[in-house]
This record gives sequence, C-alpha cells and structure tokens, in this order.
Amino acid sequence: AQSVTQLGSHVSVSEGALVLLRCNYSSSVPPYLFWYVQYPNQGLQLLLKYTSAATLVKGINGFEAEFKKSETSFHLTKPSAHMSDAAEYFCAVSVNFGNEKLTFGTGTRLTIIP
Amino acid sequence: EPEVTQTPSHQVTQMGQEVILRCVPISNHLYFYWYRQILGQKVEFLVSFYNNEISEKSEIFDDQFSVERPDGSNFTLKIRSTKLEDSAMYFCASGQGDQTQYFGPGTRLLVL
Repeated sequence: AQSVTQLGSHVSVSEGALVLLRCNYSSSVPPYLFWYVQYPNQGLQLLLKYTSAATLVKGINGFEAEFKKSETSFHLTKPSAHMSDAAEYFCAVSVNFGNEKLTFGTGTRLTIIP
Repeated sequence: EPEVTQTPSHQVTQMGQEVILRCVPISNHLYFYWYRQILGQKVEFLVSFYNNEISEKSEIFDDQFSVERPDGSNFTLKIRSTKLEDSAMYFCASGQGDQTQYFGPGTRLLVL
C-alpha cells in the first residue's frame, strides 16, 4: 500500500521568499507522484507530476519538484512566492501500472505574508 | 481546455434521503473516479470505474453507495440513505490511462 506524509500542515512565507513544501512517500513499487493545489472553494488542480522520467519536474505557476528515491521525497519548491500562491497543496502517490487510485497526504496550507 | 464538470455545486439533504451527484468527465477519458473530502481532512478515494464496471472501491464505499455511467457522458454517484457523516465535498475525476487524474470542482453535500 502507498502512503504520503506532508510535514507541516501550515506554512507561512513572505512574498518573494522561497516556498518549500515537504512530501515523503512510502510505496512498495515504483511510485507516480503528484502535487495538486486547491484554492478556496475550488477543486483540485494538477500542479505537476513525476512519472519515472526526469527526476526534476517543472509544473505550472513556477513550481517544481524533485524526486529523490534515496530520501523517498518529492518536495515542492518555488523560488519566489506570490500572493496568488496562497492555497492548500496536496501531495499524492499512485503506482505506475494500471490506473490506480491516488492516495493523498493531509495537505499543507500555504500563507503568503505581504 | 476540456474540464470535468459536476452538478450540483451544493446539495442539502435530510438524513435518510437519497442523493445523486452528477459528473461529466472529459470526453475522451476512459477512467473515472470519485473521491471525498470531509471538512478539514484529506481527500479520500471512494471508487474507480472503467469499462462499465467498478475497478476498485474503498472501505468507505459500502452498500449505500453506487456508481453508474448511464450514458456516454455522465458519471453518477448515488448515496441511497444519507447519514450525517456523509457530509463532505465529493470530487469526480477522470483520466485517459496515463496515471494523471483531472478533478472537477466538487459538490458540497450537507446532510442534516
């Protein structure tokens, strides 16, 4: 079975500062990893995904994530935070065969300080 | 850009009533999913559907739940007799077989 742990349910950063949201996964088979963003009262929007190609994945809105197998991590980063980045971010894991369900982490609420 | 749509956006119902939540997946997608998110908690998988049958279901998806693809475009989730604990945001998702799932905006269900 797969699982995801997101460290830090709330993260606050200043506008223009580095954003780092942490995600560690557990999977007995090679994983597919995803970051989704949820703006208030909206659905889940795919930010980026890792599907066993390049370990550094670039997504929308300037976000990127690096798959590190040795650390079982898939942390999300953005060099410079914007006010519009304030949202809830979910890391999710699936397996790389079939079309298995996504298993989500508990989410990290990102607040941007002006 | 194609997107998953869901109706209604909000539904209020009395405990014990039946509700049907509707989804229109992206048109060329073959894999369909329902998830739910209880307020303040993480998104949980309910069921996946492919080739007109359930592929996998979670322990949450008991006999009170059912899914159907009644025509070529809609995908529905029925809760036969709602309970207070069914209050949640329900998300539909669809995919075309590359492990990526695209989510709809959700239906917020409130059971009184």
